[in-house]
Amino acid sequence: EPEVTQTPSHQVTQMGQEVILRCVPISNHLYFYWYRQILGQKVEFLVSFYNNEISEKSEIFDDQFSVERPDGSNFTLKIRSTKLEDSAMYFCASSEQGISNQPQHFGDGTRLSIL
Amino acid sequence: AQKVTQAQTEISVVEKEDVTLDCVYETRDTTYYLFWYKQPPSGELVFLIRRNSFDEQNEISGRYSWNFQKSTSSFNFTITASQVVDSAVYFCALSPPEAGTALIFGKGTTLSVSS
Repeated sequence: EPEVTQTPSHQVTQMGQEVILRCVPISNHLYFYWYRQILGQKVEFLVSFYNNEISEKSEIFDDQFSVERPDGSNFTLKIRSTKLEDSAMYFCASSEQGISNQPQHFGDGTRLSIL
Repeated sequence: AQKVTQAQTEISVVEKEDVTLDCVYETRDTTYYLFWYKQPPSGELVFLIRRNSFDEQNEISGRYSWNFQKSTSSFNFTITASQVVDSAVYFCALSPPEAGTALIFGKGTTLSVSS
């Protein structure tokens, strides 16, 4: 069964450094998303991406964050100048084209630890 | 504003017991989607079900069943004859009907099934 893949599974970064989280969505999916989950808390929406542009973003997704689809398969989340509070599990998801909101299929997540 | 409430933080049952996970939602949309996701100890998010607000029929899939009641804004999830492998955090989520929109998650219910 097709799946969303995320790399790396665990990233450790010094505070203030930039980090790029990578995702390969399911191949025929056209909507892409990033969510984050701070340890023990609920899953929070960051951003959605469609047709090479951001379609929706949350208050969390400030100027520190950016997303990109650098080629036909990858979807990346960049966090500039990381802070301690950016430590979380980051999930990428994708969904099919449709006239309604299709199920979002999630990757296994990248655990980001900021030291 | 949209909101999902999962009032049960943790539930512990013994194998073979039935268990119901509650989900109550708030939305001003007349059309919306409801979802359940499972997060096992390994951390990934697994899609279980999507339900359209116009479809109030209950659904059964093996040992899983879902009870959607629009009158009480609830979308409860029952596991029949629970098994140890059902131990996980279960998230209820809500979204508008438009394709590619964000999922609004509840805080999750941690289910522990002991043998």
